[in-house]
Amino acid sequence: GAGVSQTPSNKVTEKGKYVELRCDPISGHTALYWYRQSLGQGPEFLIYFQGTGAADDSGLPNDRFFAVRPEGSVSTLKIQRTERGDSAVYLCASSPDESYEQYFGPGTRLTVT
Amino acid sequence: SQELEQSPQSLIVQEGKNLTINCTSSKTLYGLYWYKQKYGEGLIFLMMLQKGGEEKSHEKITAKLDEKKQQSSLHITASQPSHAGIYLCGADSILTGGGNKLTFGTGTQLKVEL
Repeated sequence: GAGVSQTPSNKVTEKGKYVELRCDPISGHTALYWYRQSLGQGPEFLIYFQGTGAADDSGLPNDRFFAVRPEGSVSTLKIQRTERGDSAVYLCASSPDESYEQYFGPGTRLTVT
Repeated sequence: SQELEQSPQSLIVQEGKNLTINCTSSKTLYGLYWYKQKYGEGLIFLMMLQKGGEEKSHEKITAKLDEKKQQSSLHITASQPSHAGIYLCGADSILTGGGNKLTFGTGTQLKVEL
């Protein structure tokens, strides 16, 4: 079956611009997570959705970052006024429920110039 | 906050050799996950361990969680080029709103030479 997909695979943007990163979870998975992975590091948790609501956004670094999941399926991570330090691979993961293993997408590589 | 330390940071082995990667936690592990990552790809789930002393195997990969639940090891037998990649251990922690946040180690990069 289809896995988690993320678009775009690569995004280059200028400092100060707004970007949106999309995640399509595995069909039927209610839990959705966003992580950020910097070069040479493990992924770091950003936000968790159970259904449509952001159940935990404690990992978002500041208020420039925001994520939505309006219909409980597709999620969009939004970054305002991008900074060079936002450059990283943004990973999305989904799971059938909160207690199961997470299945990761291929990630979106964001480069802020 | 929980921290995971992996060793070694990188490893080069000859095809056919055995190897072990270690993951040590600063706190007792609730659940420990092993993932593999290749460049440009997402993380591939390998195994999850929850109970002290637990051991799981899949093909030529075996993972163990120690009795105190603060250290895990991943062992690959008779390594092959297909085993090359970055191996990440992740610790499970329950989020305030439910759900399981994973805190990852920095990874171990494995190269397998022919």
